[in-house]
Amino acid sequence: QKEVEQNSGPLSVPEGAIASLNCTYSDRGSQSFFWYRQYSGKSPELIMSIYSNGDKEDGRFTAQLNKASQYVSLLIRDSQPSDSATYLCAVWSQGNQFYFGTGTSLTVIP
Amino acid sequence: EPEVTQTPSHQVTQMGQEVILRCVPISNHLYFYWYRQILGQKVEFLVSFYNNEISEKSEIFDDQFSVERPDGSNFTLKIRSTKLEDSAMYFCASSVRQAGEQYFGPGTRLTVT
Repeated sequence: QKEVEQNSGPLSVPEGAIASLNCTYSDRGSQSFFWYRQYSGKSPELIMSIYSNGDKEDGRFTAQLNKASQYVSLLIRDSQPSDSATYLCAVWSQGNQFYFGTGTSLTVIP
Repeated sequence: EPEVTQTPSHQVTQMGQEVILRCVPISNHLYFYWYRQILGQKVEFLVSFYNNEISEKSEIFDDQFSVERPDGSNFTLKIRSTKLEDSAMYFCASSVRQAGEQYFGPGTRLTVT
């Protein structure tokens, strides 16, 4: 069973702070990694993809990938109340399936 | 901006009935997927579809499930004989390439009574 693990939270940060979300995965052969945001009752919304080791920045979001440690993270800078949601880590495995973690609930406090 | 659409938004059915959930993927996408999310649980992969055939399916996708691309735009998920435990949100997604970024539709909430 391919596993994607996330701390379920809840994670609370004050407005303007950096939120740090973490994810580990079990399939060492995985090549594609994604972060989605899901508001309650809504569908997953793609935030970022990352395929290579290192950092990838897009606006206030930075994804970090370390394949040796089988670890993916998402940093959200200058957190806003509208960032309050559940953040899903997703991994495309060698078995050609897409595995989601259970998600980390983030609350940004005004 | 192109988006994945799904109909209906909510479907209520009785146990044992057949349901068909419909999706229109993004027009230039070639890979199509179905996922389900039981309330309070994680999103689970059901099936992927490419070039008019299933390319991968999970253990959840048993004989009561089937998928079809009946025309150039629609992609459907059929559940032949629904069970109470099929109650969930069903999401369709599409991508340009395999292992690429997937874009999700708004989902269909299926309630089996």
